Amino acid sequence: GQQVMQIPQYQHVQEGEDFTTYCNSSTTLSNIQWYKQRPGGHPVFLIQLVKSGEVKKQKRLTFQFGEAKKNSSLHITATQTTDVGTYFCAVSGSARQLTFGSGTQLTVLP
Amino acid sequence: DAGVIQSPRHEVTEMGQEVTLRCKPISGHDYLFWYRQTMMRGLELLIYFNNNVPIDDSGMPEDRFSAKMPNASFSTLKIQPSEPRDSAVYFCASSLEETQYFGPGTRLLVL
Repeated sequence: GQQVMQIPQYQHVQEGEDFTTYCNSSTTLSNIQWYKQRPGGHPVFLIQLVKSGEVKKQKRLTFQFGEAKKNSSLHITATQTTDVGTYFCAVSGSARQLTFGSGTQLTVLP
Repeated sequence: DAGVIQSPRHEVTEMGQEVTLRCKPISGHDYLFWYRQTMMRGLELLIYFNNNVPIDDSGMPEDRFSAKMPNASFSTLKIQPSEPRDSAVYFCASSLEETQYFGPGTRLLVL
């Protein structure tokens, strides 16, 4: 299946600072999804990107899909304590299965 | 809809015992996925079903693991016999299109 590398593994920020996590693939992706998992919780779907160069925003969250469809990023502006959790990218396989990145665990210090 | 339902939420058992995890997908969803999450290995896909038929079980770690989906509203993941290294959070997820909806998970501890 497709593999995707996600960095960084951990990120600690002060509340109000920005945060970015990156996913990279050696192959062209058909699409990429992003999920958030709160501590002790389960992954929750955030967004799916399909088009080359696509940029989507959800309030303080900005998602980008690279022009070559081999990388993607999630940027959070002015983090809040409610942003704490692990952010995963996920790529689709030949059917509807997903391969998840290793995740970036975000800690927001008040 | 209540979302994906999993039971039990927590399970503590002794090595060698049989463990059965249960999942009720969202009504109308045609795909069901079983995942295992650990600190060391992250979120791993174990097996998935389409219209109750197992499609790919290549992620199942050993023959000790088995999964069934007897109907569209119920699936089980069984570990027999269980071992301490099976301790993990097991998630069930279902989908109708490409978005997957996860259940709350079963936290399994094998002593």
